[in-house]
Amino acid sequence: DAKTTQPPSMDCAEGRAANLPCNHSTISGNEYVYWYRQIHSQGPQYIIHGLKNNETNEMASLIITEDRKSSTLILPHATLRDTAVYYCIVRVTNAGNNRKLIWGLGTSLAVNP
Amino acid sequence: NAGVMQNPRHLVRRRGQEARLRCSPMKGHSHVYWYRQLPEEGLKFMVYLQKENIIDESGMPKERFSAEFPKEGPSILRIQQVVRGDSAAYFCASSPSGTAERGYTFGSGTRLTVV
Repeated sequence: DAKTTQPPSMDCAEGRAANLPCNHSTISGNEYVYWYRQIHSQGPQYIIHGLKNNETNEMASLIITEDRKSSTLILPHATLRDTAVYYCIVRVTNAGNNRKLIWGLGTSLAVNP
Repeated sequence: NAGVMQNPRHLVRRRGQEARLRCSPMKGHSHVYWYRQLPEEGLKFMVYLQKENIIDESGMPKERFSAEFPKEGPSILRIQQVVRGDSAAYFCASSPSGTAERGYTFGSGTRLTVV
């Protein structure tokens, strides 16, 4: 069911950039890529989303390849509080124009001091 | 400016009992979504509601599960005659519109344990 694949785990040193990859090779033209994170079984926290263009906000940057088959979430200066499971998600639209998020298994990011 | 409020945070039910999970969306949000998360897995879509209407229930099991979002009050996810396999974390999200240009805001979830 999942439309995304991510590495199960990654490590990053505190203060360095964390680059989290995601493959979504079957994504359709009108399907957005969303990123959420979940800290220790809390509710998911929205990070960023995009369709074709690269996006940046106060939390992160999202780089989407030109063919849209993959993307990378960049946390520019990771802190210990960024340790979480990061989910790359495709938002699909059905025939009734209703949208829902299709989640994968995520990447468990450990930021180390 | 409270976020999405879910209660209870933890719910324990014996097999065969009913579970009622409540979700109050963010102020100004009229679109509500329910997701279920099993341990070590991502979230799975269950149902999408607007005030007084079920828009998409393609992820809901056909039996024992129902959802509503009345004109007044919170959205309710109801599970009748619970079984052990219903044990999971149930998350509610809300958005001001169906296009969710600013993403979906999630609550802290209700963790249901069936004993």
